[in-house]
Amino acid sequence: SQQGEEDPQALSIQEGENATMNCSYKTSINNLQWYRQNSGRGLVHLILIRSNEREKHSGRLRVTLDTSKKSSSLLITASRAADTASYFCATDGGSNYKLTFGKGTLLTVNP
Amino acid sequence: DGGITQSPKYLFRKEGQNVTLSCEQNLNHDAMYWYRQDPGQGLRLIYYSQIVNDFQKGDIAEGYSVSREKKESFPLTVTSAQKNPTAFYLCASSIASGPYEQYFGPGTRLTVT
Repeated sequence: SQQGEEDPQALSIQEGENATMNCSYKTSINNLQWYRQNSGRGLVHLILIRSNEREKHSGRLRVTLDTSKKSSSLLITASRAADTASYFCATDGGSNYKLTFGKGTLLTVNP
Repeated sequence: DGGITQSPKYLFRKEGQNVTLSCEQNLNHDAMYWYRQDPGQGLRLIYYSQIVNDFQKGDIAEGYSVSREKKESFPLTVTSAQKNPTAFYLCASSIASGPYEQYFGPGTRLTVT
């Protein structure tokens, strides 16, 4: 069953612009994670936000979490062509053994 | 240089043949996972292992088998019973099972014809 759902499915922007992706989930969580995947590669962990946190920053990344709305957003500021990738959110859904991944947002940054 | 490796990167098999995908990690992680990814889809959990000599089925285990005889290794066998085996397979590990950061290998693209 799909726990996290990213929105939009695809996003195309110009270099230098900001990119915002959203994730909605269904059940309570311990934390929510964002991953990045370049085409044909494995996933790379970007950031983890705990259920008692509202906002977290890492370099050009800003993640927010609203547990009342069961949603999270990932903001990439001043995007670069190298940011072109698929971005996935993953939640534990209260599970003590696994993460559930959404279908991802495909971000294309045009130079 | 710590990490998680998968081999081979590309694998081709004829229908009806079993095939084993390799996954090795030197991160000293207890937990390991196998995921399947189809085009435009998220990751679906096939099997996971919380500790050596123990593993459990994930959401789509039918037609797959695994073993965990060593902490570092978690091979996945795609059997002839798997109806649609062509996919991108990703192995991951984490320090323990649960809501922890997962480290992924580069993936194996399996094509069965």
